[in-house]
Amino acid sequence: DAGVIQSPRHEVTEMGQEVTLRCKPISGHNSLFWYRQTMMRGLELLIYFNNNVPIDDSGMPEDRFSAKMPNASFSTLKIQPSEPRDSAVYFCASRRDLSGAYEQYFGPGTRLTVT
Amino acid sequence: AQKVTQAQTEISVVEKEDVTLDCVYETRDTTYYLFWYKQPPSGELVFLIRRNSFDEQNEISGRYSWNFQKSTSSFNFTITASQVVDSAVYFCALSEAGSGGSNYKLTFGKGTLLTVNP
Repeated sequence: DAGVIQSPRHEVTEMGQEVTLRCKPISGHNSLFWYRQTMMRGLELLIYFNNNVPIDDSGMPEDRFSAKMPNASFSTLKIQPSEPRDSAVYFCASRRDLSGAYEQYFGPGTRLTVT
Repeated sequence: AQKVTQAQTEISVVEKEDVTLDCVYETRDTTYYLFWYKQPPSGELVFLIRRNSFDEQNEISGRYSWNFQKSTSSFNFTITASQVVDSAVYFCALSEAGSGGSNYKLTFGKGTLLTVNP
């Protein structure tokens, strides 16, 4: 079975540009998570979807960040405008259901560099 | 609030040594779940194991073993006869099963960087 798929794997952009990260969760999973990982802050949960509905976006840094999940097999995380401090690895993860009993499976991540 | 502490920031061993990675957690829930993830130098996060709070039986998978002790709120991970390929950052994580609505959250420790030298 295919795991969580993320694209692009690497993104280099200039400050002020719009960046869109993409995620395809594991088929059949109905929970999707976006995380950001930096050396300073470790792994941070940005937003969580259940059945395509955003449940908790309290981790989204500011209005420059937005996330959508138009269907069960696709989600995007958009940063507009991007800033150098947004440079990080962004992970998407999916889980089979709402319960905390199940493990999350992570994608390979997108390494974002904003210059 | 739930919390996961991995006191060992970095560990360095020589190949074939046994190594134990410590994980201590805090939670108010009686039902919760513990996880270990591996992040090798390539960067992906790989799920290793999940443990339920009501099952304290230790688990062994090849060279990997996990010791879960509720009395000390610990969920330690031991690698026997370590290999260079075990070099990675290892994260311990916790999720609660409470009815408060936050049971979807996975709280991660800060990770332990394990370096296995040849």
